[in-house]
Amino acid sequence: NAGVTQTPKFRVLKTGQSMTLLCAQDMNHEYMYWYRQDPGMGLRLIHYSVGEGTTAKGEVPDGYNVSRLKKQNFLLGLESAAPSQTSVYFCASSPSAYYGYTFGSGTRLTVV
Amino acid sequence: TQLLEQSPQFLSIQEGENLTVYCNSSSVFSSLQWYRQEPGEGPVLLVTVVTGGEVKKLKRLTFQFGDARKDSSLHITAAQPGDTGLYLCAGMMNYGGATNKLIFGTGTLLAVQP
Repeated sequence: NAGVTQTPKFRVLKTGQSMTLLCAQDMNHEYMYWYRQDPGMGLRLIHYSVGEGTTAKGEVPDGYNVSRLKKQNFLLGLESAAPSQTSVYFCASSPSAYYGYTFGSGTRLTVV
Repeated sequence: TQLLEQSPQFLSIQEGENLTVYCNSSSVFSSLQWYRQEPGEGPVLLVTVVTGGEVKKLKRLTFQFGDARKDSSLHITAAQPGDTGLYLCAGMMNYGGATNKLIFGTGTLLAVQP
């Protein structure tokens, strides 16, 4: 019962460093999403994908890039980390645009 | 501007009490979902309501979608410590064509004391 798996679970970065967050789902879902969760701000959509090879911007895409080379994987990249990107990042997937989402357990990222 | 406002933001009650959480918007949603999130975990889907006026029950939890599909409520009867968590409502909006996106509220943090 893997569902949606996110790696790593925790990470501390220095300002200016880069990193990639990996999301993998084993449910054959077409849609995948990256959200960030901050106190008082709720969950905000960063980028999403409606299928293999496609990506689109969400509500807060600046400073992030994504790729969906394989249907089961959705990667979130930070090219030059900033303290404002300190957050908890969640990946989610759904079979279509109309169904509920299955979330991963999150990655807690601190940028110092 | 937050499209979905939840109230209250925080709620601390004793085991056995009843409570209601509200989710309000000025926008119309094609459907509305409720999630519960526990510390250190991702949100878990509880229910999806689609039709205006729809009521769904999940054991002690009752979910209602407003007639105009702009608001929703979650009522918990006889709350238990296991109900503790962050409750999130999320509305599905159409952004043109086949693109639908889920907009999340800021959440209600519930603590049920034994």
